[in-house]
Amino acid sequence: GAGVSQSPRYKVAKRGQDVALRCDPISGHVSLFWYQQALGQGPEFLTYFQNEAQLDKSGLPSDRFFAERPEGSVSTLKIQRTQQEDSAVYLCASIADHSYNEQFFGPGTRLTVL
Amino acid sequence: AQRVTQPEKLLSVFKGAPVELKCNYSYSGSPELFWYVQYSRQRLQLLLRHISRESIKGFTADLNKGETSFHLKKPFAQEEDSAMYYCALRDSGGSNYKLTFGKGTLLTVNP
Repeated sequence: GAGVSQSPRYKVAKRGQDVALRCDPISGHVSLFWYQQALGQGPEFLTYFQNEAQLDKSGLPSDRFFAERPEGSVSTLKIQRTQQEDSAVYLCASIADHSYNEQFFGPGTRLTVL
Repeated sequence: AQRVTQPEKLLSVFKGAPVELKCNYSYSGSPELFWYVQYSRQRLQLLLRHISRESIKGFTADLNKGETSFHLKKPFAQEEDSAMYYCALRDSGGSNYKLTFGKGTLLTVNP
């Protein structure tokens, strides 16, 4: 079956522009995560949803970052007034079974802010 | 705060040689440890988790709470093991399933 999908795969934005990144988790997966991966670094947690509820947003770096999952399936990560330091790969992951806790990752969206 | 350290950014071995990718963690609670792998042009995927005590693709990892380590080992490396490896941790006692990752080790297995 289809895995986690993300779009767009690549996004180039001018500094100050707003961007929206989409994640389609595996159907039926309750929990959804967003991570930010800067060049040469491991993924860093941004935020976590269980169904439509955003249970943890402690990793969002500033109030320019906003995530939503209104119907408990597709999620959107929005970055307002992008800055060069926002350039990174944004990964989405979902979990089917909390007892096993395997996170299934999407291919990521590579954001470049010029 | 929880932290995962992978001291080697790069590791290069020859085919058939043993390989050990180091992972140390810092966490005051009860951690659950994982190894994730990313092969070239593929997405990040789970390799193994400590509570399963399993061997996947010949790899094993033992959680050493005394040394706060979770090193990944394989006795005979294969060329197809070349990939980026990330050690990750989560709080097993919590209901938040977020992962804290190390910076990763790029393993190259030479023919």
